[in-house]
Amino acid sequence: SQKIEQNSEALNIQEGKTATLTCNYTNYSPAYLQWYRQDPGRGPVFLLLIRENEKEKRKERLKVTFDTTLKQSLFHITASQPADSATYLCALDISRTGRRALTFGSGTRLQVQP
Amino acid sequence: DAGVTQSPTHLIKTRGQQVTLRCSPKSGHDTVSWYQQALGQGPQFIFQYYEEEERQRGNFPDRFSGHQFPNYSSELNVNALLLGDSALYLCASSFREGSYEQYFGPGTRLTVT
Repeated sequence: SQKIEQNSEALNIQEGKTATLTCNYTNYSPAYLQWYRQDPGRGPVFLLLIRENEKEKRKERLKVTFDTTLKQSLFHITASQPADSATYLCALDISRTGRRALTFGSGTRLQVQP
Repeated sequence: DAGVTQSPTHLIKTRGQQVTLRCSPKSGHDTVSWYQQALGQGPQFIFQYYEEEERQRGNFPDRFSGHQFPNYSSELNVNALLLGDSALYLCASSFREGSYEQYFGPGTRLTVT
């Protein structure tokens, strides 16, 4: 069956360190992969999109890599801050139709300790 | 510029009842998607509306139906509510010909008792 797995339910790190979150998928060949941030009781907020022909994408302290051979994306937050504490979701458009019907992983809850 | 808005914020219903949730997309967006998010899980795609028609549907029963209006706003209807329908219902909007990112509303928390 088709599945998207995110590395762990929770990740605790110290402020200033780099947080690395993992997203693995099986049986898909997505044209792109997205990362969203979700705070408790709120809707997800788009962070980054990386296409299948891109290896890496950066935005400020965020970096995403995409390995279509390993079927894996890594999401990095450098110089993490307590304000980065949230749940991070990866999402794929498995249909490859570009119609944006996303399939989400269950998320990784990041807690950054001051 | 208002983002995606949803109403109501919270709702409590009884098993067997029917519910209607509403969504107004971000200004300039023409496509609305609905997702169900159970506690501790990622959002699950229910269906998507574009040009007032359902264009894609996820693995949800026919009890879940929707509508899109000429002004691009949308409704999600759920009939014969089950306890398992308790969840956060999220609306996301995008522009068909634009970038792939989706803008989510704050969601409606539905509790079925």
